[in-house]
Amino acid sequence: DIVMTQSPLSLPVTLGQPASISCRSSQSLVYSDGNTYLNWFQQRPGQSPRRLIYKVSDRDSGVPERFSGSGSATDFTLKISRVEAEDVGVYYCMQGPHWPVTFGQGTKLEIK
Amino acid sequence: ELQLVESGGGLVQPGGSLRLSCTVSGFTFNTYWMSWVRQAPGKGLEWVAKINEDGSVKGYVDSVKGRFTISRDNGDNSLYLQMNSLRAEDTAVYYCVRDGGNGHHWAFDIWGQGTMVTVSP
Repeated sequence: DIVMTQSPLSLPVTLGQPASISCRSSQSLVYSDGNTYLNWFQQRPGQSPRRLIYKVSDRDSGVPERFSGSGSATDFTLKISRVEAEDVGVYYCMQGPHWPVTFGQGTKLEIK
Repeated sequence: ELQLVESGGGLVQPGGSLRLSCTVSGFTFNTYWMSWVRQAPGKGLEWVAKINEDGSVKGYVDSVKGRFTISRDNGDNSLYLQMNSLRAEDTAVYYCVRDGGNGHHWAFDIWGQGTMVTVSP
């Protein structure tokens, strides 16, 4: 199975400061159609996961512009330009092209 | 409004069975793959099973193969997960998830609220 490795696993951030989460896959996530299928999810406390970013850098409708995704092949990053209180939660990356679908361990973002 | 509503969770003894249901609304159900994803208490996300648009293709994570069966009823806009021979390690919140379709692979863009399954004596 493809291993998705996130870092850090815990991320204390001061309000208004930037935050960055890394996700590395054990194999390239470039699919035969030329797209790279890497998603990012946010799970707020007590809620279901919500997709933020798909295909590395496409932001979902309604997701604030302070969230951005970047990367290629095996190395990916989720950035929050200025952390707000509502961003507290756990963030997961997910790969699709290799069976089975696998998720990263999760990164817990908290306010310092 | 796009909506996935799970039901059927509960407390079951080891070795027992449970059937989860997911009712879908707000999109054309029969044009999407669907998945079940679970989350053990305090743990991360684990994909469990998926099914294609017409139910002819199914896949499972190794740990549930031979015990769980995914199915769908496109006439009723419903997704199911039949869980047999349940083990303590199957204890988790189970989410119904819109997987991919209409050219969107592995979308996982819509999630239900989840239903809790507890396997305990």
